[in-house]
Parts: sequence; C-alpha cells; structure tokens
Amino acid sequence: NAGVMQNPRHLVRRRGQEARLRCSPMKGHSHVYWYRQLPEEGLKFMVYLQKENIIDESGMPKERFSAEFPKEGPSILRIQQVVRGDSAAYFCASSLLDTNGNTIYFGEGSWLTVV
Amino acid sequence: DQQVKQNSPSLSVQEGRISILNCDYTNSMFDYFLWYKKYPAEGPTFLISISSIKDKNEDGRFTVFLNKSAKHLSLHIVPSQPGDSAVYFCAAKSGNYGGSQGNLIFGKGTKLSVKP
Repeated sequence: NAGVMQNPRHLVRRRGQEARLRCSPMKGHSHVYWYRQLPEEGLKFMVYLQKENIIDESGMPKERFSAEFPKEGPSILRIQQVVRGDSAAYFCASSLLDTNGNTIYFGEGSWLTVV
Repeated sequence: DQQVKQNSPSLSVQEGRISILNCDYTNSMFDYFLWYKKYPAEGPTFLISISSIKDKNEDGRFTVFLNKSAKHLSLHIVPSQPGDSAVYFCAAKSGNYGGSQGNLIFGKGTKLSVKP
C-alpha cells in the first residue's frame, strides 16, 4: 500500500459536524476507490472515481455522503452531519487501469470517530 | 447476503508449518479473486490474485487455489513465519473494466497467528 496517501489518519468529529477525508493516489494512477470498514467487518465498496468523474457510486449512502476527484488535487470523501454510525475506517485505493487494472492498492486508512 | 465468506475468523499455526486460509463465494459471475493482508491500523496490502481461467497461482511462499465448481478458493502459506501474523481478506469481482472495476467484494477476514 505504499504510495497511496490518506489524511488525516485519525479524525474526531461531534455529531452533526462535517468530516473531510483526503486521498492522493499512487503516482500515475488515475482511478480512485473509497472503501469503508466497520468494526469486525470486511471492507465495503463505496465509490469509484476517475478524474472529474464518478464511475460507480453504488456503495455510497444516498444522503450525507459525497465524493469527488478533481482535475487537480486529491480525492475528497465528504460526510455531512456525521452520526455515530459513521465511525469507521475509511480506506482509499488507486489503480492504473491499463496495465494492471486488476489490482488496486490501498492507503493506510483514515479512522473517523464520531462522539 | 454475503457473497464472499471466510468462515474461520481465526487460525493459529506453528512457525514453519503450512497455513491454509479458506474462502467461499456464491456469485458465479465473479471472475477474479484477490487476497489481501492487513495489519492493525494499516491498509490492506495486496498479496496474490487469480483469474477464473486458472486453478492455481503461485508467488513465493504464497499459492492460491481456485475450485470453480465448488466456488471455493484457498490461500496456502508455506512455510509460515511469525511476520505472516495478520488478518487475511479474500476479495472477488466480476468484470475487468468498466464501472465495477474497483468494486471488490470482501470477506470478513481471517486472523492468522503464527507462533514461533
């Protein structure tokens, strides 16, 4: 998972606040994915983005969650009006579709705690 | 409904012996399978993968076996080392390209402990 950079690593928010998680993909990768891991669970796919496009958001909750991957800068996962159930580890991953499209590489995660 | 199942939450093995981690899946459309290793407070690290057109893939101490008829795959680690102690996740997907390329379906993981 070297190369995919996530920040912050740990974030504490009160209920009702907003959380913003950032992800810079590996150098040369233009495909970004966000996953969420709840305690004692496996990772659950949330969203797949390419530069300026959302390709697959089938795993995103319908409300309060949004993601973007602008032309310049990192990908952002934004959670508005956080609730306790949003407490989880959020992992970003990236891939280089053309030559190694079957493998995605994960960052070290951002741990969100809602108090 | 869980499409990828890892029925053993934990496994303990003696150093030097073989570790066998199992994974079952229900979706016959899955055509690519991956194993990831995860240490606490870190992201998953890719280990090895296998396409559905193969039944075995080997990389050093790691070998993945795929039995399509049984919808079962396993990861063999031999010889096991204490540094292999981690949580191992099985993941699957269908389709190499398009909107679901990164939509991996993960199992809940198996915690492997390798004792010296």
